Amino acid sequence: QVQLVQSGAEMKKPGSSVILSCKTSGGTLRTYAFSWVRQAPGQGLEWMGRIIPVFERINYAQEFQGRVAISADKSSSTVYMELSSLRSEDTAVYYCAADRRGGYPPDYWGQGTQVTVSS
Amino acid sequence: QSVLTQPPSASGTPGQRVTISCSGSSSNIGSNTLNWYQQLPGTAPKVIISNNYERPSGVPDRFSGSKSGTSASLAISGLQSEDEADYYCAAWDDRLNGPVFGGGTKLTVL
Repeated sequence: QVQLVQSGAEMKKPGSSVILSCKTSGGTLRTYAFSWVRQAPGQGLEWMGRIIPVFERINYAQEFQGRVAISADKSSSTVYMELSSLRSEDTAVYYCAADRRGGYPPDYWGQGTQVTVSS
Repeated sequence: QSVLTQPPSASGTPGQRVTISCSGSSSNIGSNTLNWYQQLPGTAPKVIISNNYERPSGVPDRFSGSKSGTSASLAISGLQSEDEADYYCAAWDDRLNGPVFGGGTKLTVL
């Protein structure tokens, strides 16, 4: 069973950066790919980017290119997402989600992390 | 603007059968498998249909999925009050090289 445990809520000022973490269950990092998906209040799901840790392959949605960085620490089985130049429109719940690689949508989701951007 | 198209809302009375559609293109639904998610208020999405029509363990058989060409449907039979939730479809997109989602359908049980 794949388990994804995300870090806690964050409150940030506009222009700053936030780093979110997603702790994966043992062995998951070698088998799965991990996406970050966000959901603004009352809105749908928006894919931000994805990492395949075993191949160190990363790709980002065009909307977030240059502002998002996804990484993985194999020693701690943790995936990270840094979003910079925060603005109020980045206020959302951010989810870490795992897929089986090879062209599949996510099957497993973390519990979500609330990020609030406000002055 | 979501890549996959879903109706924003659907409704039914207890015991009824409702369907939710999801429309895409050849680069996503037309060439890859589809998942359906149920999202209850304040919780993370949960897979209820995987690989177009497979139900993960624990998902009631009242939920069923189908796919034809570049469209897919989620059917819920014997509607229950606890089915009231938001439902999303998702598929891999070969052109965008990432997963794409529908805009979500809010299901109301009257």
